[in-house]
Amino acid sequence: DVKVTQSSRYLVKRTGEKVFLECVQDMDHENMFWYRQDPGLGLRLIYFSYDVKMKEKGDIPEGYSVSREKKERFSLILESASTNQTSMYLCASPPAGRTTNYEQYFGPGTRLTVT
Amino acid sequence: AQSVAQPEDQVNVAEGNPLTVKCTYSVSGNPYLFWYVQYPNRGLQFLLKYITGDNLVKGSYGFEAEFNKSQTSFHLKKPSALVSDSALYFCAVRDDNYGQNFVFGPGTRLSVLP
Repeated sequence: DVKVTQSSRYLVKRTGEKVFLECVQDMDHENMFWYRQDPGLGLRLIYFSYDVKMKEKGDIPEGYSVSREKKERFSLILESASTNQTSMYLCASPPAGRTTNYEQYFGPGTRLTVT
Repeated sequence: AQSVAQPEDQVNVAEGNPLTVKCTYSVSGNPYLFWYVQYPNRGLQFLLKYITGDNLVKGSYGFEAEFNKSQTSFHLKKPSALVSDSALYFCAVRDDNYGQNFVFGPGTRLSVLP
């Protein structure tokens, strides 16, 4: 089975802190995605990556950056956390390359609270 | 542009009754449609997908969904609901004109009452 893991299940940070959320997948997938989930808004794409050192902005990239130095790891960075970034963050990865008919495999999520 | 609507925030159904969770979509190309379920404090789990072929798709845990191209819908169904089906359900679409990105609906909370 594909496994997508996230470094923390719950995280509490202060406004202005730099925050790192880590995601690791163990199946040599090319594509990895970061979403945030908010009630009534569903999942919104922050950034995604097709390959090592490649990144593309999603629908809501403002206030975030990403890093993909190794194929298995995709990091989401909040440069200066703000209270409106309090949310559930989900990492995902589909099993294939540039095809459109594969489902996403999701990590368990990180619930981030910024105070 | 792609979009997904789930017109009901909440669906309540009695255990043993059939359930339907509705989804409609809008794409410019051919749609690839997915249903996911999320249990409390967990990530999303894949239930089923429509890519091509039969309009009725069967998935995990006894769920099925019907693709209706003319109505641009992909409703999730189950003949007999279980209390353990209570969760948050998301419909998602990918458009073959837009590559890798999924678009998710806002989610529908299903409550199955004993």
